[in-house]
Amino acid sequence: DTAVSQTPKYLVTQMGNDKSIKCEQNLGHDTMYWYKQDSKKFLKIMFSYNNKELIINETVPNRFSPKSPDKAHLNLHINSLELGDSAVYFCASSQDRVGAGVRTGELFFGEGSRLTVL
Amino acid sequence: GEDVEQSLFLSVREGDSSVINCTYTDSSSTYLYWYKQEPGAGLQLLTYIFSNMDMKQDQRLTVLLNKKDKHLSLRIADTQTGDSAIYFCAFRDNFNKFYFGSGTKLNVKP
Repeated sequence: DTAVSQTPKYLVTQMGNDKSIKCEQNLGHDTMYWYKQDSKKFLKIMFSYNNKELIINETVPNRFSPKSPDKAHLNLHINSLELGDSAVYFCASSQDRVGAGVRTGELFFGEGSRLTVL
Repeated sequence: GEDVEQSLFLSVREGDSSVINCTYTDSSSTYLYWYKQEPGAGLQLLTYIFSNMDMKQDQRLTVLLNKKDKHLSLRIADTQTGDSAIYFCAFRDNFNKFYFGSGTKLNVKP
């Protein structure tokens, strides 16, 4: 039973195209995130949603648009893809209120979606 | 925000101990984590420590927290080839924002 699942795992596309990556979590968490990991393995937060509401929106080109139809899903749509968008994109979730029954509030990551823009 | 630094590489021989270090700037984080990332996979939580603790031991893993020096370390005893991976330290602040180090690539030689 995958806790955080994202599709597709691999995506190869041409510059200028539009693509989407989907993410779903079955952990009942309040908060979901998108992270970008570059070729040097640096992890950079892009967006965070809490109960379908955008709470973190880092300096990301507006070609990137997250959408959260419900608290278990957070999708990422990218318009007009550029070479520099090539990276691994990770979806993650966490329980926002750390308290009774929630020990550590850590992030749970999906397996990643490797995007290659040619 | 938090600045988190880790050395990029560590190479050890199988059976030796590995120590991965992390320094940070903001001391308000309550939860501090170590994640492991194997090739082609997502990050998996390895262990964690609360900011009111100095040390936590979990089988082969020992986490040390020195709040005065803002230093977090992960020691892996009897390192195995299966421990080869990238290790990230991470912090969660009081606004539920997470900060990650740059990752340390651990290479275990047989």
